[in-house]
Amino acid sequence: NAGVTQTPKFRVLKTGQSMTLLCAQDMNHEYMYWYRQDPGMGLRLIHYSVGEGTTAKGEVPDGYNVSRLKKQNFLLGLESAAPSQTSVYFCASSYSLADVTDTQYFGPGTRLTVL
Amino acid sequence: QQQVKQSPQSLIVQKGGISIINCAYENTAFDYFPWYQQFPGKGPALLIAIRPDVSEKKEGRFTISFNKSAKQFSLHIMDSQPGDSATYFCAATDSPGNTPLVFGKGTRLSVIA
Repeated sequence: NAGVTQTPKFRVLKTGQSMTLLCAQDMNHEYMYWYRQDPGMGLRLIHYSVGEGTTAKGEVPDGYNVSRLKKQNFLLGLESAAPSQTSVYFCASSYSLADVTDTQYFGPGTRLTVL
Repeated sequence: QQQVKQSPQSLIVQKGGISIINCAYENTAFDYFPWYQQFPGKGPALLIAIRPDVSEKKEGRFTISFNKSAKQFSLHIMDSQPGDSATYFCAATDSPGNTPLVFGKGTRLSVIA
């Protein structure tokens, strides 16, 4: 099993450009999450999904959109990138949200720089 | 979302010493408290977790201590090793899982020889 994979690993954008980050998991997990990690700020939840076709807002959703068209994939979109979105983005998945002992499995991250 | 407050922000410990990281929470509905470990350039990974029905959980050199009345929990790393150098995140969520994990801001641990 590859676990949770993220594409791309690195990306540099100019202000106003758009891009999509792809997260894929092969563990048949129901729940998927997108976080951003900034120095001194910890992990902040952007959006999450509790199943195929569903999405929900997290702590910092503004400026981002997501889609979960397939159970194994969770896409994070930036329609008009801003320098404040420079960050490391992590995707995670878990079997369920209802079972609170379920582990979240994280991907390796995508380092995004917006100039 | 309710906050989980983590301290210290950074910690330097001598090899063989004890590393202690503390977290505090406000939401009394929280009943699952995991710790995640993150090495540079990697994603976080679950290290150890505790439910409030016990006051302590130990796995090898890693121990979680939980104080329900004070709404605090801590991670103790005994006999700290240079390989333990990483960022540690505490987290919390409620039962039956109405909300995703709320993470603390992290503690960067450096274990020096």
